[in-house]
Amino acid sequence: GAVVSQHPSRVICKSGTSVKIECRSLDFQATTMFWYRQFPKQSLMLMATSNEGSKATYEQGVEKDKFLINHASLTLSTLTVTSAHPEDSSFYICSARDPGGSGTDTQYFGPGTRLTVL
Amino acid sequence: DAKTTQPPSMDCAEGRAANLPCNHSTISGNEYVYWYRQIHSQGPQYIIHGLKNNETNEMASLIITEDRKSSTLILPHATLRDTAVYYCIVLFGNEKLTFGTGTRLTIIP
Repeated sequence: GAVVSQHPSRVICKSGTSVKIECRSLDFQATTMFWYRQFPKQSLMLMATSNEGSKATYEQGVEKDKFLINHASLTLSTLTVTSAHPEDSSFYICSARDPGGSGTDTQYFGPGTRLTVL
Repeated sequence: DAKTTQPPSMDCAEGRAANLPCNHSTISGNEYVYWYRQIHSQGPQYIIHGLKNNETNEMASLIITEDRKSSTLILPHATLRDTAVYYCIVLFGNEKLTFGTGTRLTIIP
């Protein structure tokens, strides 16, 4: 299957700093990528849809000024958590939609980034 | 507004076939059935998807009933590495993928 990478895999930062997470589709071009967040013992929650060359679409309750998304190319989307606080500590996972041409587009997920804010 | 219903947990003996059920009684004609799994502390992994016909790949088989109101994911020879949460998801081709609570499958040695 298609491969999606994330960097870094793990990050620890101080409260008030900003953290950037990169998501790359390695063997396909993705006009659409997605960002999810997962708290312990909970399911994945969709945060936003990242569209190449246009503004991201955020889910209800997700602050767009706090979670900045940039999708500058067909293989790269970035999520920046601005002024991070301990409550932002979570597992952040991206996915990319592969337009496989089979009548439906399958989403492939990255390995996730564990963010810990002290 | 859950589109799918899955048992919260299941056990399966190592080496046996794991059969994971999913009910999707309100599925519409052009919605696909997707299966993903998430191993602890990893991103979800795509397994298989189908529309009407049964599907098989190197990971699993997907059996969809004729009325499409339910499906079963079959892992033919379960190993300890198959222990994960399995998600059955129904969606249109370009719809956003959202996760329910899934089935926690534990493979027992």
